[in-house]
Amino acid sequence: GQQVMQIPQYQHVQEGEDFTTYCNSSTTLSNIQWYKQRPGGHPVFLIQLVKSGEVKKQKRLTFQFGEAKKNSSLHITATQTTDVGTYFCAGPKSHSGAGSYQLTFGKGTKLSVIP
Amino acid sequence: KAGVTQTPRYLIKTRGQQVTLSCSPISGHRSVSWYQQTPGQGLQFLFEYFSETQRNKGNFPGRFSGRQFSNSRSEMNVSTLELGDSALYLCASSSGQLDEQYFGPGTRLTVT
Repeated sequence: GQQVMQIPQYQHVQEGEDFTTYCNSSTTLSNIQWYKQRPGGHPVFLIQLVKSGEVKKQKRLTFQFGEAKKNSSLHITATQTTDVGTYFCAGPKSHSGAGSYQLTFGKGTKLSVIP
Repeated sequence: KAGVTQTPRYLIKTRGQQVTLSCSPISGHRSVSWYQQTPGQGLQFLFEYFSETQRNKGNFPGRFSGRQFSNSRSEMNVSTLELGDSALYLCASSSGQLDEQYFGPGTRLTVT
């Protein structure tokens, strides 16, 4: 079936190091969304990318959407302990046709930051 | 604006029982989606309701059902519970089908 693959599954970094998670789709996506879920919490929307090759920044977070709109990445510069959590990408996938879409989530990358 | 609320927050049931979970979306949001989250499978889409109609359904057995009321509040029901149904059930509301999702805190269901 249509899937959104995300790697790596886990990432342990020393505080101050950079972190990147990658998201890949087998089909072209109309947009891609990124969410963060803190331990014990619920997913919180971070950003949506729509255009081919789009790059957006939020402070230390940089989001990219690939030229083919099949892959995306989230890069965090100089991680802090507040960055701990699981980062999910999600893309709309059509399962039943007729313009009907559902948001399909990657399995997430769990980030641990060692102080 | 008040966020998405879900009740109950925690639930313990035994195999074979049924359960109903409730979700109140953000005011003005007409789309409500339900997800099952487990450590092994991640976030899996259950179904989406828009204006009281089920618009999309994920690959879950018919034991999982839902509905949406005229005030956009939604419920999901799981009948004949199995051990594998133990999970965090998340509800999310949005203003449109492809728009950002606002998640509730979830209902943690444990089936024994």
